[in-house]
Amino acid sequence: NAGVTQTPKFQVLKTGQSMTLQCAQDMNHNSMYWYRQDPGMGLRLIYYSASEGTTDKGEVPNGYNVSRLNKREFSLRLESAAPSQTSVYFCASSEQGSGNTIYFGEGSWLTVV
Amino acid sequence: EDQVTQSPEALRLQEGESSSLNCSYTVSGLRGLFWYRQDPGKGPEFLFTLYSAGEEKEKERLKATLTKKESFLHITAPKPEDSATYLCAVAFSGGYNKLIFGAGTRLAVHP
Repeated sequence: NAGVTQTPKFQVLKTGQSMTLQCAQDMNHNSMYWYRQDPGMGLRLIYYSASEGTTDKGEVPNGYNVSRLNKREFSLRLESAAPSQTSVYFCASSEQGSGNTIYFGEGSWLTVV
Repeated sequence: EDQVTQSPEALRLQEGESSSLNCSYTVSGLRGLFWYRQDPGKGPEFLFTLYSAGEEKEKERLKATLTKKESFLHITAPKPEDSATYLCAVAFSGGYNKLIFGAGTRLAVHP
């Protein structure tokens, strides 16, 4: 059971470079999310897509863009990476609507130097 | 302000020594409280969802309970493989499936 799959697992970027994190889910979920996790802080929502064709900002959207390519895929783009974006990024998915369980991918470790 | 606080920040137990982790929350319109387990280098793994005060759920050595202001994750006779970070998250009404996460409790179980 694949669940939520993210690529790449690890990436090192130089300041100012751009990159895209890819995510796909095979659970037929309508909603997808991108979170970041930093030491000593809880997971924070960057962007979410409640359903195919919609995207909205979460808590910490600055410096990021997203694309909901289809029902399965949701990508996160860093247009001009900054050291403050060094973090672990998690893609997740759930059934649409509040109170539904959110399932996470294995994470992407990003270092910006 | 909506907030989720977990305590303790870290907990060290001997194998077989039972204990509890706490998750207190202040949100309006609770839609669900979630417990996840996270191993180093991995994503959060779903454990339980609780929806209403008085509800309890069990899985192997873990039991989660919910009151109107907090949740407990009880660990009975833990084993070293229970060592992980345990995350609590709360969903509340407000449009989309928004979760607020606590910072987690790092549990280490020693033989």
